[in-house]
Amino acid sequence: DAGVTQSPTHLIKTRGQQVTLRCSPISGHKSVSWYQQVLGQGPQFIFQYYEKEERGRGNFPDRFSARQFPNYSSELNVNALLLGDSALYLCASSPGITYQETQYFGPGTRLLVL
Amino acid sequence: AQTVTQSQPEMSVQEAETVTLSCTYDTSESDYYLFWYKQPPSRQMILVIRQEAYKQQNATENRFSVNFQKAAKSFSLKISDSQLGDAAMYFCALNYGGATNKLIFGTGTLLAVQP
Repeated sequence: DAGVTQSPTHLIKTRGQQVTLRCSPISGHKSVSWYQQVLGQGPQFIFQYYEKEERGRGNFPDRFSARQFPNYSSELNVNALLLGDSALYLCASSPGITYQETQYFGPGTRLLVL
Repeated sequence: AQTVTQSQPEMSVQEAETVTLSCTYDTSESDYYLFWYKQPPSRQMILVIRQEAYKQQNATENRFSVNFQKAAKSFSLKISDSQLGDAAMYFCALNYGGATNKLIFGTGTLLAVQP
């Protein structure tokens, strides 16, 4: 079975631009979470979506938004990019929403903002 | 606040030897899950092992085992018979539930395996 997939793998943008990152969860998984991993640090939680509804949001500005589609895939959008948005963006999926469920990660999208 | 601390930024081990990575955490919840994830240079975060707080028996997965000390809020990872492929960044993570199923990660330990 295919794991979590993310696209694109790498992205270069300039300050002020907008970016959209995509994620497809493991088949059968209905929950998708997004994390930001700045170089040298552990991942930080951005969003969780379940059944197309936002179920949690981390401490990130309103420039960050996301959505989940009927097929459970998800997009993360970041507007008005700043240099500090340069990071590895990880998507994780799980069957449901409870904390007992393990999250499985995709390979990530490396975003560089110049 | 829930926190996870990994006090060893880097560790090194000889091939075939055993190494232990440390992790401490803080939570006021009575039930929670703890995880070790491995992130090789390829970036893919891979689950190594997980432990439920209510289970007293330490989890094991082949060469990987944990020492879970609930009272001390300690969750160390032991890697036996280390292999070159074990070289990676290792992250300890906590999921305590609440309204959101989210992982709280430590800062990671970079493990080097010497041939």
